[in-house]
Amino acid sequence: AQRVTQPEKLLSVFKGAPVELKCNYSYSGSPELFWYVQYSRQRLQLLLRHISRESIKGFTADLNKGETSFHLKKPFAQEEDSAMYYCAFPGNYGQNFVFGPGTRLSVLP
Amino acid sequence: DTEVTQTPKHLVMGMTNKKSLKCEQHMGHRAMYWYKQKAKKPPELMFVYSYEKLSINESVPSRFSPECPNSSLLNLHLHALQPEDSALYLCASSQDRGVNTIYFGEGSWLTVV
Repeated sequence: AQRVTQPEKLLSVFKGAPVELKCNYSYSGSPELFWYVQYSRQRLQLLLRHISRESIKGFTADLNKGETSFHLKKPFAQEEDSAMYYCAFPGNYGQNFVFGPGTRLSVLP
Repeated sequence: DTEVTQTPKHLVMGMTNKKSLKCEQHMGHRAMYWYKQKAKKPPELMFVYSYEKLSINESVPSRFSPECPNSSLLNLHLHALQPEDSALYLCASSQDRGVNTIYFGEGSWLTVV
């Protein structure tokens, strides 16, 4: 079955340190993968999608087909990056999204 | 306007009550969604409406009844809920052309007592 895994429930880093949030996928065909972020008391929002290859808020993610990964990276973490991060992919119906279990990032001062 | 608006933000209801959650978007999106999110869990799809027609029902119990009165509005009618139905209910919308960015509302916190 198609799915994404995020092995870390919680990731704590110090401000200014690099951060990498892991996402691995099990997916047939050409994967389309997304990162969504949910800040405290705010709505779930798109952070980036692999097809656009954009850098949003300093975050980047590269699709690695050999390792079946789509890890989210940022060279210097900021306290305002503390949030819940979900890796997601289109569901079976093509219109819905299926979310990974999520990783809570805590950036310490 | 790039927002999905949900009301109410908080709702407490008894197991015999009937209530409704409402969702509105004015982005011209033709696909709208209801997701359920339990604490510390990812959102789980409940329903998808496409062009005001129900296209996906993820085996949701009949005590949850969706309704799409027009292309901008989506309701979720609640009746005879159980305490385990307490969760954050998220509405979302997207353009109805293949895989697109989904825009989420802030959600309605539901507590069933």
